[in-house]
Amino acid sequence: NAGVTQTPKFRILKIGQSMTLQCTQDMNHNYMYWYRQDPGMGLKLIYYSVGAGITDKGEVPNGYNVSRSTTEDFPLRLELAAPSQTSVYFCASGRPSGYTFGSGTRLTVV
Amino acid sequence: ELKVEQNPLFLSMQEGKNYTIYCNYSTTSDRLYWYRQDPGKSLESLFVLLSNGAVKQEGRLMASLDTKARLSTLHITAAVHDLSATYFCAVDASPGGSNYKLTFGKGTLLTVNP
Repeated sequence: NAGVTQTPKFRILKIGQSMTLQCTQDMNHNYMYWYRQDPGMGLKLIYYSVGAGITDKGEVPNGYNVSRSTTEDFPLRLELAAPSQTSVYFCASGRPSGYTFGSGTRLTVV
Repeated sequence: ELKVEQNPLFLSMQEGKNYTIYCNYSTTSDRLYWYRQDPGKSLESLFVLLSNGAVKQEGRLMASLDTKARLSTLHITAAVHDLSATYFCAVDASPGGSNYKLTFGKGTLLTVNP
């Protein structure tokens, strides 16, 4: 049971480039989330999904897009990367009884 | 807007001592979560508290939830070096209880010294 798998683990982007952060879960959870973590700031919700085909904005959605075509996958797209998007990104899935986090993607925009 | 405040944000303690981390939140909720994060690692679930008065214990850690006071505590008993990490509380206060999502505190960086 792999849980929540994120790829890549590390990435360096140049300003203006785009990329997709991948997230896959094998626990058949309807709820999936993307958070970003900046030093000393806790985790902030970017987007979330309550099931395939349904997504909604979180607290800090600007500069990001998501899609949810299957229960398992919830990719996060960065368009026109900016230095302010340098952060660690965590994907999570679960339900009120508990949530599982992926190992994270450390992204640097230079 | 839900606000989650942890204190202290930094805690340096000696091995063998006891201490408590506090998590206050600004709106009604009966779903609160504690996580541990080691440097450069992901978040590990410690406790899930889903009702008023819930108390859970695992080893030297005990968490409780008082929904009336909008307060959760994480109590550390006889700290050991292995407990050094950052601890986060997170609250789910989704209106109507259907769009579950967590709001995190800023975390408490705990350092246990020999």
